[in-house]
Amino acid sequence: GEDVEQSLFLSVREGDSSVINCTYTDSSSTYLYWYKQEPGAGLQLLTYIFSNMDMKQDQRLTVLLNKKDKHLSLRIADTQTGDSAIYFCAETRGSNFGNEKLTFGTGTRLTIIP
Amino acid sequence: DAGITQSPRHKVTETGTPVTLRCHQTENHRYMYWYRQDPGHGLRLIHYSYGVKDTDKGEVSDGYSVSRSKTEDFLLTLESATSSQTSVYFCAISENGRSDTQYFGPGTRLTVL
Repeated sequence: GEDVEQSLFLSVREGDSSVINCTYTDSSSTYLYWYKQEPGAGLQLLTYIFSNMDMKQDQRLTVLLNKKDKHLSLRIADTQTGDSAIYFCAETRGSNFGNEKLTFGTGTRLTIIP
Repeated sequence: DAGITQSPRHKVTETGTPVTLRCHQTENHRYMYWYRQDPGHGLRLIHYSYGVKDTDKGEVSDGYSVSRSKTEDFLLTLESATSSQTSVYFCAISENGRSDTQYFGPGTRLTVL
C-alpha cells in the first residue's frame, strides 16, 4: 500500500470549510507539505509545516500536525470554486541536506458544490 | 511554472518504441527531477539530477534512463516503451535541493498503445 495515504475524493459546498486528511509513516520526516494541482497543470506548493510544529495558519489555510498519530490535515476556510483541484500531501524522507526527496500521497480531489 | 517547460506536452506511441521527454529550465537551478503521476499513486520519483552529468535513481527507475549534458536540459528516455509506462510525467527543479523549493513543470501526458 501507499506510505502516505489520503482519501481520494471530497465534496464541499461553496462557503463551507474543507478538511483534507493525510496519514504518513516516516516519523523522521522533517517537513510535511501540501501541494495543489489544478486541471492540466503541474503541482503548486501551497504550504508546509516543520515537524516540531502543531499548527500553521496562512490566510484561509490551516495545517494541523499530530505527530503521535502521524496525521496531517489541511483546512481551507470559506471554500471557493477556485479551490477545486487535487491536493497532495508529501513528506520528506531522511536524506542528505541539499538533496531531499519527496514522497507524495495519492491525492484528494476536492469538488466544490455551488 | 517558474521557467520550466516540458516537451512534448502530449504523445501517443506504440509498445517497443523509444521515447524521449525533455525538460527545459531557464532558472539555472542545480537540481532537476522526473516524476510520474498515476491514479491512486500520487507522484513517484523516477530519476533526479544534482548537477550536469550527475544523476541518480528514484523509487521507480526501472525502464527509464536520464541524461543531463547541460544545466538547462534534463532528458528522460524510455528505451522501449511499455503500456505500464502510460502516465503523466512531471519535471521539477530546485535551486538548492530542498523539498520546499521544488517547482513543477506543466507535465507530459504519454500514452503507450
